[in-house]
Amino acid sequence: EAQVTQNPRYLITVTGKKLTVTCSQNMNHEYMSWYRQDPGLGLRQIYYSMNVEVTDKGDVPEGYKVSRKEKRNFPLILESPSPNQTSLYFCASSRDPTSDSTDTQYFGPGTRLTVL
Amino acid sequence: QKEVEQDPGPLSVPEGAIVSLNCTYSNSAFQYFMWYRQYSRKGPELLMYTYSSGNKEDGRFTAQVDKSSKYISLFIRDSQPSDSATYLCAMSYGGSQGNLIFGKGTKLSVKP
Repeated sequence: EAQVTQNPRYLITVTGKKLTVTCSQNMNHEYMSWYRQDPGLGLRQIYYSMNVEVTDKGDVPEGYKVSRKEKRNFPLILESPSPNQTSLYFCASSRDPTSDSTDTQYFGPGTRLTVL
Repeated sequence: QKEVEQDPGPLSVPEGAIVSLNCTYSNSAFQYFMWYRQYSRKGPELLMYTYSSGNKEDGRFTAQVDKSSKYISLFIRDSQPSDSATYLCAMSYGGSQGNLIFGKGTKLSVKP
């Protein structure tokens, strides 16, 4: 089954304690992305990656890091989480962001993060 | 002015009603226009996509793009309780799967 998986699904942590949210896709997609979703603000892109070892900032990258060492994995790292990073996070992947194909952008199930 | 504006609702309609969801945008460079549906506690899933102006129909769903007015719409005919979800419009500059700019989403509730 084609899917994007994220772990953990729920996480409560404290300010300053480094954490990593993993994202993995089994569709051999080149493009992967992280979003956060907040009430009243909608979905905002944090970072994206066009391929292995190629990453770039989205609209709200401050306080986050990513890496793309393998095509299937795109972890999101919070080196020193703060309460304003409490949010619902989604990972997404798609085949080729520059094509006009009808392939969809697949989203993971989401990770609800609470930073106390 | 935000790049993409979408009324957050909530919107409540009776079963069988025609639903109209809309987004406006400010950047004329947007080429690809999408509608995503997001059920509670789930990730968004692509519902419809349109390139440039025009209409696209898929079953009970019709997407319309009017680039001259910078306005896109999603119509749902014969709405069902299973259509209850948040609907997000999204747009991109190039490639249907590239960096997407999302609206805030409209929460729809279809009452039996």
